[in-house]
Amino acid sequence: SQQGEEDPQALSIQEGENATMNCSYKTSINNLQWYRQNSGRGLVHLILIRSNEREKHSGRLRVTLDTSKKSSSLLITASRAADTASYFCATAGSARQLTFGSGTQLTVLP
Amino acid sequence: KAGVTQTPRYLIKTRGQQVTLSCSPISGHRSVSWYQQTPGQGLQFLFEYFSETQRNKGNFPGRFSGRQFSNSRSEMNVSTLELGDSALYLCASSPYVDSRTDTQYFGPGTRLTVL
Repeated sequence: SQQGEEDPQALSIQEGENATMNCSYKTSINNLQWYRQNSGRGLVHLILIRSNEREKHSGRLRVTLDTSKKSSSLLITASRAADTASYFCATAGSARQLTFGSGTQLTVLP
Repeated sequence: KAGVTQTPRYLIKTRGQQVTLSCSPISGHRSVSWYQQTPGQGLQFLFEYFSETQRNKGNFPGRFSGRQFSNSRSEMNVSTLELGDSALYLCASSPYVDSRTDTQYFGPGTRLTVL
């Protein structure tokens, strides 16, 4: 079963705009990770944020984590057509297994 | 470093057959996990291996099994295939150093179609 939901399920924006995706989860976590998947291929790791961190940046990516609300958000700034993909959040507890959200399909229009 | 590799990339089987999928982790990574991805259920954890031992198992029937070899390579087996086993099977490796920071790196997946 999946840990939680991602919102929105689908997002369509113009190139250059920012894209924000949200993720909610249900149980306590050690970390939360975001992944990108292009057209049913493998998952590409984007960023990991530990449970004691509130915000993390990597290039055009900004991730926030609110453990009191059990939620996270991923912001992609200045989106490009190449960012078109499905984005998944995944939580990890002490057992290390990843529990995935349902994913957000992002389409960036040129 | 080479990434996680999975073979075969595509597989077509018929109901009742069995199948074995293979995964080679990133060099130096000691943990291998397997996930199933379907349109209906999304991404679901199957099992994790470390030092040739299954450390964790997801909620899948006993038809799904796996093993890990001394060189950390892993195989998963599905016996008596059902139509619902059609899915993308993803393997991931991680260094298994710190549960707070261990990242799982995924392979390209094996697309299994059961007819």
